[in-house]
Amino acid sequence: DQQVKQNSPSLSVQEGRISILNCDYTNSMFDYFLWYKKYPAEGPTFLISISSIKDKNEDGRFTVFLNKSAKHLSLHIVPSQPGDSAVYFCAASGWQGAQKLVFGQGTRLTINP
Amino acid sequence: NAGVTQTPKFQVLKTGQSMTLQCAQDMNHNSMYWYRQDPGMGLRLIYYSASEGTTDKGEVPNGYNVSRLNKREFSLRLESAAPSQTSVYFCASSRNSGTEAFFGQGTRLTVV
Repeated sequence: DQQVKQNSPSLSVQEGRISILNCDYTNSMFDYFLWYKKYPAEGPTFLISISSIKDKNEDGRFTVFLNKSAKHLSLHIVPSQPGDSAVYFCAASGWQGAQKLVFGQGTRLTINP
Repeated sequence: NAGVTQTPKFQVLKTGQSMTLQCAQDMNHNSMYWYRQDPGMGLRLIYYSASEGTTDKGEVPNGYNVSRLNKREFSLRLESAAPSQTSVYFCASSRNSGTEAFFGQGTRLTVV
C-alpha cells in the first residue's frame, strides 16, 4: 500500500523554465511533508518542507505547495538549472516528532540546456 | 562535519552469508533509520529507532535485524542474505522522528 505516490517517473524541462514535480498521499494523518533531492551515488539531501497548517513554503528558487483537500503537494523550481538534474523524492510524516518518514518512488528530473 | 557515516560502501555476499551494516551520526540526533532503495520503489523503511533504546519495524523488516547500540550508532544485520536483498541501503538520522532526516552516502549490497 503506497501511501505516498509520485506518478511521474521522469520529467524533462528546458533550462530557465519552470519544473513542477507532483506528489499525492493517501493517509490523512500525514501533516508534515518534505522534498529531497538525490544525485547518483550519493544519499538524498533535504530540500524543503511544509507543515499542514500552511499551503505554501518558499526557499529561493524552490516553492512547495500543499493542497490538503486533494491530498496533493507539488514542488516548483524556477528557473530550472542544469544542476537541478537529479531524482526528487517527496516524503510525509505524522505529527512532527512522532512518526517516521514515508517516501514516494521518486521522479527523475532532467534539465536540458 | 561527518554527519552520517555508513560502512562499508560496497559489499558482495554469497547467498546465506551474514553481515552487519554500520551507521554512526555525530549530530546528537535522537532518531535513526535504515532504508533500502530499489529501482521504481523509492526509499522503503526497513527499521527505525525513534530514540535510544527503542526500535520499530518499518515497511520491509523481514530478513533484517537492528541494534541501536547507543545514541550515535544504529546497525543493520542480515542474518542469512538472499538475492532479494540486493539493494542500496541508506542510514539516516533526524533530531526527532518524522522531522528532516540526514542521510549517509549509502551501501551498495549485492547478494549472489
